[in-house]
Amino acid sequence: GAVVSQHPSRVICKSGTSVKIECRSLDFQATTMFWYRQFPKQSLMLMATSNEGSKATYEQGVEKDKFLINHASLTLSTLTVTSAHPEDSSFYICSARGRGGHYGYTFGSGTRLTVV
Amino acid sequence: SQELEQSPQSLIVQEGKNLTINCTSSKTLYGLYWYKQKYGEGLIFLMMLQKGGEEKSHEKITAKLDEKKQQSSLHITASQPSHAGIYLCGADSGGADGLTFGKGTHLIIQP
Repeated sequence: GAVVSQHPSRVICKSGTSVKIECRSLDFQATTMFWYRQFPKQSLMLMATSNEGSKATYEQGVEKDKFLINHASLTLSTLTVTSAHPEDSSFYICSARGRGGHYGYTFGSGTRLTVV
Repeated sequence: SQELEQSPQSLIVQEGKNLTINCTSSKTLYGLYWYKQKYGEGLIFLMMLQKGGEEKSHEKITAKLDEKKQQSSLHITASQPSHAGIYLCGADSGGADGLTFGKGTHLIIQP
């Protein structure tokens, strides 16, 4: 079945630094990648949607200059949290969708970001 | 925008008992996904329902989508400790917007 590999699984960084999270589709082409954030005991909230080769579309309230999304290839999308602050500490998870909706929505295993 | 309401928010069930989790949408569902998550981990896909009246089962878990495609239920029979976790329903609007999730149901199984 479809697999999305997400790295790192956990990361601790200092305030003011940037962190990059990668999501790779291993056995299919991810034409669309969705990035979610989940705060403790809350549901997943969609942050942005990216299509390969296009600029990402951000949900209301999500700062595009802070959360940089790159989807340069059909198998790789990255989320960079720039100038991270403690309030950015959260669980970030990606979801990939193949061409024509094939493979449904395949989720990565998530990244626990802690900013200290 | 589409909203999903899950109930109950949390559930404590004695091992061996049956339980049901509900998911109600504010709009007609194009597709309804059920996932299980252990806190801080990724989502485990359980089932996807698309047709009104559809019902699917996997091991001891059964999910149904009502005829109007606005409500789904997840039923677990003879619950086991391995069923503990957070159950999330996700709605597909049929567009390119990804899934909209309910707030989840925290399931605890008591031995």
